[in-house]
Amino acid sequence: NAGVTQTPKFQVLKTGQSMTLQCAQDMNHEYMSWYRQDPGMGLRLIHYSVGAGITDQGEVPNGYNVSRSTTEDFPLRLLSAAPSQTSVYFCASSNRQGATEAFFGQGTRLTVV
Amino acid sequence: DAKTTQPNSMESNEEEPVHLPCNHSTISGTDYIHWYRQLPSQGPEYVIHGLTSNVNNRMASLAIAEDRKSSTLILHRATLRDAAVYYCILRDVLGDNYGQNFVFGPGTRLSVLP
Repeated sequence: NAGVTQTPKFQVLKTGQSMTLQCAQDMNHEYMSWYRQDPGMGLRLIHYSVGAGITDQGEVPNGYNVSRSTTEDFPLRLLSAAPSQTSVYFCASSNRQGATEAFFGQGTRLTVV
Repeated sequence: DAKTTQPNSMESNEEEPVHLPCNHSTISGTDYIHWYRQLPSQGPEYVIHGLTSNVNNRMASLAIAEDRKSSTLILHRATLRDAAVYYCILRDVLGDNYGQNFVFGPGTRLSVLP
């Protein structure tokens, strides 16, 4: 059982480039979300989805787009990378009900130069 | 949203019990108390959660105060592998979609000494 898989694990981008961070889960979870973690800080929510075709913004959505065409996949797109987006990105999934555990991926370490 | 307060850091000796406190004085009746931990260079992982009663699982125990305004995560015998940042999080089971998200604070960094 793979759980939540994120690719790539590491990425270096130049300012202005675009890219997509991939996230896939095999647990048939309705709820998926993206967080970023800056050094010495907790995780901050970027975007989330409560099911295929439904997405919404979290705490820090600017500069990022998401879509959810299938239950399994929830890609995060950086439209025009900026050095301020240098961070570690985590994808998570869970059942929609609040009293269940969330599963996190191993993270993508992104550096924008 | 209800917030939690945790100490920035704690130390423990290996094979001794560890009690990690969390204050959540503004907790609502439908908030579950979740604990996650983050090992170095990894994503957060689930530890335990509860509503009102004390909870036990293979990883830890969760002791919840009678008024639910505080809780304590108990690691019965700390190992070097337990060195991590521990997050105490409230999650509203009846909230709107945004309310079902996890709000991570800075957590408690636990160091385990050999």
